[in-house]
Amino acid sequence: GEDVEQSLFLSVREGDSSVINCTYTDSSSTYLYWYKQEPGAGLQLLTYIFSNMDMKQDQRLTVLLNKKDKHLSLRIADTQTGDSAIYFCAEREWARGSQGNLIFGKGTKLSVKP
Amino acid sequence: EAGVAQSPRYKIIEKRQSVAFWCNPISGHATLYWYQQILGQGPKLLIQFQNNGVVDDSQLPKDRFSAERLKGVDSTLKIQPAKLEDSAVYLCASSLDPRGEQYFGPGTRLTVT
Repeated sequence: GEDVEQSLFLSVREGDSSVINCTYTDSSSTYLYWYKQEPGAGLQLLTYIFSNMDMKQDQRLTVLLNKKDKHLSLRIADTQTGDSAIYFCAEREWARGSQGNLIFGKGTKLSVKP
Repeated sequence: EAGVAQSPRYKIIEKRQSVAFWCNPISGHATLYWYQQILGQGPKLLIQFQNNGVVDDSQLPKDRFSAERLKGVDSTLKIQPAKLEDSAVYLCASSLDPRGEQYFGPGTRLTVT
């Protein structure tokens, strides 16, 4: 089946940029997502990219996709303490007649120090 | 626009007891999902509904888990009997259609003792 891998922890100082990395396995065209989860809350969709794109920018967020290496990254510019959360990478699974289910990584816990 | 609603937010039960969770999706969303999120893991899909029909329940432990969406709107997820390893957050999500963005509710945190 499909698999999504992420590093588990990242610590940055307020005002610095954060880069969260993810690798995936689906070789077919797919959508890739970044979700944010704050303590005790559900998942909030931050942004997504289709696999025929290299980059997508949305305010402080930049998503970079290297399709050859199946590597996805999320860059958060000017990181704030409010950005502290767990960030999940997810890919849409289209194999095995799937209905496009989301396959999530284990999440990267971002800690922002003042 | 109201988001996905779930209740209860927290539930503590003893093993072998039964429990039910409720989800109200965003109005007009035909597709509804139940996910299980074990501590330290990403969410894992349990079941997907399209209107009131099941389209994917391949990862639902059917000997103890059941779910329904009788009128194509609200859904309930039941566990009977619960095991210790069922302790997790149960997330409900909905989307306009199977290819649309999924919007998540706040989840129900279940602790089985």
